[in-house]
Amino acid sequence: GDSVTQMEGPVTLSEEAFLTINCTYTATGYPSLFWYVQYPGEGLQLLLKATKADDKGSNKGFEATYRKETTSFHLEKGSVQVSDSAVYFCALSDQGTYKYIFGTGTRLKVLA
Amino acid sequence: DAGITQSPRHKVTETGTPVTLRCHQTENHRYMYWYRQDPGHGLRLIHYSYGVKDTDKGEVSDGYSVSRSKTEDFLLTLESATSSQTSVYFCAIRVAGETDTQYFGPGTRLTVL
Repeated sequence: GDSVTQMEGPVTLSEEAFLTINCTYTATGYPSLFWYVQYPGEGLQLLLKATKADDKGSNKGFEATYRKETTSFHLEKGSVQVSDSAVYFCALSDQGTYKYIFGTGTRLKVLA
Repeated sequence: DAGITQSPRHKVTETGTPVTLRCHQTENHRYMYWYRQDPGHGLRLIHYSYGVKDTDKGEVSDGYSVSRSKTEDFLLTLESATSSQTSVYFCAIRVAGETDTQYFGPGTRLTVL
């Protein structure tokens, strides 16, 4: 079945460092891909999305590109802030059933 | 904000008791979902609904049942709670016409003693 694999955390960075969180997927068909962010004590919030190959999703300085050839959707940010500390989830949607598959999440901690 | 509320937000119960969690939406979206979130597992789908009285199982449905008698409400029931069901439960909706995007409620923290 479909699956999503994210890099293990936690990831600890200094403020203004470059961030990459890896995400790869397996799916039949052509899923939409998502990154969600979860701040402490809160629900998940959509960060960005992409619906087809080569699409780039972006929001709040974060970017991710839908790479069909490598089945990847890596999250990047050029300069992280302390306020970016959170757990990040990669996910895909199954176009046939409208079920969503989530990765296990990557905790990011940014130090001042 | 997609108008999703969950109740209760926190609950402590004892093993063997029935528990019902409620998810309410204000915008009449067709698809609703229940997930549980546990360390090391991310979010796992319990059940989902694609319309009134139309539901289907997710990957961790054992020990849970759901009901949807109205578009706006999706109930999750633990028939006889066990300690392994201690978790944070999230409800979500799918917004049609927005490329399958899901929006989540604030979560319910359930502790089964």
